[in-house]
Amino acid sequence: KAGVTQTPRYLIKTRGQQVTLSCSPISGHRSVSWYQQTPGQGLQFLFEYFSETQRNKGNFPGRFSGRQFSNSRSEMNVSTLELGDSALYLCASSPSKTSGGHNEQFFGPGTRLTVL
Amino acid sequence: AQSVTQLDSQVPVFEEAPVELRCNYSSSVSVYLFWYVQYPNQGLQLLLKYLSGSTLVESINGFEAEFNKSQTSFHLRKPSVHISDTAEYFCAVRPLSGYSTLTFGKGTMLLVSP
Repeated sequence: KAGVTQTPRYLIKTRGQQVTLSCSPISGHRSVSWYQQTPGQGLQFLFEYFSETQRNKGNFPGRFSGRQFSNSRSEMNVSTLELGDSALYLCASSPSKTSGGHNEQFFGPGTRLTVL
Repeated sequence: AQSVTQLDSQVPVFEEAPVELRCNYSSSVSVYLFWYVQYPNQGLQLLLKYLSGSTLVESINGFEAEFNKSQTSFHLRKPSVHISDTAEYFCAVRPLSGYSTLTFGKGTMLLVSP
């Protein structure tokens, strides 16, 4: 099975712009989670989608949004970019056939966003 | 809510020496425990996990971790490290039930030198 793919891998934007990142989960996985990784804050949870519905949300401002399509692919959008949004954005998919924390999350390689 | 503390941000070690990466957690509910590894310019890979049963869990590449409920710890160990083990290691927890997400520690950079 192909792993989680994320596009683009690298992105450079300027302050005030908006950006859309894409994530394709492992085939058959219906849950997609997004994380932001920065040197100062480490890995922080953004949101999780399951069957096109946001199931969980982290503590991020409304400039960060996401969605999931019927084929389980997910996008996240950041509007009005700030310098502090520079980070590695990781997507993870999970089969999540049942509830429970044992469902393993499989991570993609990430999108490195640099805001100038 | 859960929190994870990785006490060492960086651990330098010589090749073939033993290593221990420390992880302590805090949670009001029972949790599953995970160790992930991140190699440069890559995403996270699951190294090992504790779900239930034996408190000592092992990975295929020689790492092991022991769950200690009384000390709320899940330290990662390897008896003899290789240069290729150089990476960042993240400890994480996730509640047993519900759809809660992973809570990560800040990570420990393992630096193996010859």
